[in-house]
Amino acid sequence: DTEVTQTPKHLVMGMTNKKSLKCEQHMGHRAMYWYKQKAKKPPELMFVYSYEKLSINESVPSRFSPECPNSSLLNLHLHALQPEDSALYLCASSHQGMNTEAFFGQGTRLTVV
Amino acid sequence: GESVGLHLPTLSVQEGDNSIINCAYSNSASDYFIWYKQESGKGPQFIIDIRSNMDKRQGQRVTVLLNKTVKHLSLQIAATQPGDSAVYFCAENGGPSGAGSYQLTFGKGTKLSVIP
Repeated sequence: DTEVTQTPKHLVMGMTNKKSLKCEQHMGHRAMYWYKQKAKKPPELMFVYSYEKLSINESVPSRFSPECPNSSLLNLHLHALQPEDSALYLCASSHQGMNTEAFFGQGTRLTVV
Repeated sequence: GESVGLHLPTLSVQEGDNSIINCAYSNSASDYFIWYKQESGKGPQFIIDIRSNMDKRQGQRVTVLLNKTVKHLSLQIAATQPGDSAVYFCAENGGPSGAGSYQLTFGKGTKLSVIP
């Protein structure tokens, strides 16, 4: 199994809503990542989890709250988002250490209205 | 700051021709590079990687060349097919952080269009 599964595929939410994005992998990877990708732009790193602990937060606003319940799951909790937060949110995972490829999920297309 | 960039934003090639996509990087400490393919509405898909102790690596129909002297990376696709149409990103390993995880920094991307 070399898949990273993200749900939902599409999400429309209001600015006062609370929603969560979910990511799952069963490759035994101990590093998991959240990226944000705007249209026609490269993915930008948001968070890195290493052994279920948050190791990197790229100055992401607190309305985005990551959670890693176990080594296979990664969540991104959303609250009070703005329309400019609309984007494709990508989850990725990799083995620990340098020089290993990161596997990406298909992403969640988020629209904030 | 450090950046990873691409020379050309778009590239159109005839089906069957070879494609070359270029990438410049500025972080001389970068030691691992990946090329990803991203089709519309999908996540990035790994194509090929190369470590800094190599200058060439070949896969199936793809070759990555690394020139550390001029900090340049290229992806060559042989006999380009319509299914190769996508946006291609180079990415560099930003170095380890926190128990051995690492950060990938992506270049701007090149859109490859294959003309049937």
